[in-house]
Amino acid sequence: DTGVSQNPRHKITKRGQNVTFRCDPISEHNRLYWYRQTLGQGPEFLTYFQNEAQLEKSRLLSDRFSAERPKGSFSTLEIQRTEQGDSAMYLCASSSDRGDQPQHFGDGTRLSIL
Amino acid sequence: AQSVSQHNHHVILSEAASLELGCNYSYGGTVNLFWYVQYPGQHLQLLLKYFSGDPLVKGIKGFEAEFIKSKFSFNLRKPSVQWSDTAEYFCAVTLPYGNNRLAFGKGNQVVVIP
Repeated sequence: DTGVSQNPRHKITKRGQNVTFRCDPISEHNRLYWYRQTLGQGPEFLTYFQNEAQLEKSRLLSDRFSAERPKGSFSTLEIQRTEQGDSAMYLCASSSDRGDQPQHFGDGTRLSIL
Repeated sequence: AQSVSQHNHHVILSEAASLELGCNYSYGGTVNLFWYVQYPGQHLQLLLKYFSGDPLVKGIKGFEAEFIKSKFSFNLRKPSVQWSDTAEYFCAVTLPYGNNRLAFGKGNQVVVIP
């Protein structure tokens, strides 16, 4: 079990730039989730994939956000035209299909918008 | 609004003291309940989970939690904390519908003084 891998660990960018994060889930996990965590808050759900299909998106996910999981393995989260309010920790989690299996989290990507 | 509530965001206690962290949720119906822990510089890790059966569940590192359905609560306890328990603790619920996405509380920052 190599765990959920996310990169980069940190991203600093200027407002208005586009950024892309990558998540590599645990290899046998079909389900993949993205969450966002801001200071003093718990993680908030952004979107969910079952294999390559994006099955649910939160209202938090504005039009500037897009996520993909093209081959049902790794996933990318892109933010276009970044804004100050996008500064947060972006977490990826994966789990198997079994309903009683918990989600395993990666270390996250910390995004700072200058 | 549907939510997960954790009180006393900051908790400071001495080694060997007992710890209890409260968690209340406002979702109706069947829910799955979790406590995750985040040690400094590490990713979220599962402490324990409740899906069904015995409402008193035991997790790793001597932690336990009790599900009280009538009170919509899932409080976390440890009889005697250690310095290494310094971490942030998050209660989470998977919603009774949808894709097992987690809804988190705001977390409890616990500092154990040696």
